[in-house]
Order: sequence, then C-alpha cells, then structure tokens
Amino acid sequence: GAVVSQHPSRVICKSGTSVKIECRSLDFQATTMFWYRQFPKKSLMLMATSNEGSKATYEQGVEKDKFLINHASLTLSTLTVTSAHPEDSSFYICSARVNSGKSSGANVLTFGAGSRLTVL
Amino acid sequence: DAKTTQPPSMDCAEGRAANLPCNHSTISGNEYVYWYRQIHSQGPQYIIHGLKNNETNEMASLIITEDRKSSTLILPHATLRDTAVYYCIVRVKAAGNKLTFGGGTRVLVKP
Repeated sequence: GAVVSQHPSRVICKSGTSVKIECRSLDFQATTMFWYRQFPKKSLMLMATSNEGSKATYEQGVEKDKFLINHASLTLSTLTVTSAHPEDSSFYICSARVNSGKSSGANVLTFGAGSRLTVL
Repeated sequence: DAKTTQPPSMDCAEGRAANLPCNHSTISGNEYVYWYRQIHSQGPQYIIHGLKNNETNEMASLIITEDRKSSTLILPHATLRDTAVYYCIVRVKAAGNKLTFGGGTRVLVKP
C-alpha cells in the first residue's frame, strides 16, 4: 500500500533555531500534501496544503513566514519551522492523497508517522 | 463540510464487537463518511469510507442509516491493538481532499 515517510521522527532544538521536517511519498506521486499539527490530548489541526510546483495554501491563523512549506517534487514536501520557540513544540504530521480505486471517485489520505518537535 | 458528533470515549472488551456511533445530521447528498483512527503517538490511519451503502473491508464495517444522518463503525473482534482515537469525518470530494478532524472517540479495549 501507499506509504508516507516523515523525517525526523523526533527533533529537539534550541529556541531561535530553524527546523526542517521532510515528508516523502515512497511509492506514489503526490501533487498535494497536507501538514497538520497536534498538541497533547488534542485533535489534529490542519496547517496548510502543500502544492507541487506552487505556493502552499495556509489555513487561517497559520503564519506562512513562520512555517515555510516547499513542495519541489512529486514525492517530497518540507515544512520548516523558522525561529522556533517553545510554543512551537508539537507533533507535526503530513499526509498525501491516494486514489482509493473505488468507482465512487472518493479519495483517501495516507498519513506519515509524525514528527515530534521539542523546542527548548 | 457537515459537522459530526461522537462520544468522547468508550470502553470495549477484547474479542467483542466494538460499535462506534457518529451523528452527522446536517450531511448533504454529496458528502462521504470517512473513518480514521490514530493510535497513540502515530499518524492517523484510514479505516473505511462510504456514501450511502454499507461498506466492509478487512478492518471494519461501516453502517450508514437510510437517512444518512448517522453511521456506526463496527470493529468485529476488538483487540488491544485497536485502542486508539477514532475519527468520523464527512467531506465532499470538492473540498480539496483536506480533512478536518473533530474530537473523535477515545476507544479503550480492555482485556
């Protein structure tokens, strides 16, 4: 089945530094990927939609200059948390659309395992 | 997308069927019902989806009422590894495939 890989799975950084998280579709091409963040005991919150070859679309309230998204190829999207602060500590998860193959035409998303960021 | 309502938590016994309800009374005719689950500290996992007919796959069954205002996800023989948060989401295909997650149901499978 379709696999989405994220790297790193865990990262600890100092306040003020930038951190890059990679999201790769391993056996399929993804023109669109989605980035979520999740705080402890909370649900997932969509941050942005990453579009291959064009600018990402950010959800309301998400700072595009803070969370830089690059989708340079059909298999790789990156999220860079710039000038990280402790409040950016969270679980970041990416996902990509996979054609379900059903005649209904509906599509499903495959999610990566997530990247846990801790900012000291 | 239509809003969904799920119980915040439920327990079920290992080996028994787990029936997870979801209310989506404002669902429109072109909205699908999707179920995902998230095991602790992992990314969500797709389970099943449907439009109006009942669906079954190797993981679960999805029962959608005739008026489509509610649905039930059935895990036929719950195991300890099914302990997770289960999310019911309704969405139109035209929403760009992005999913909005609600609170979900925290399911604890007990021995």
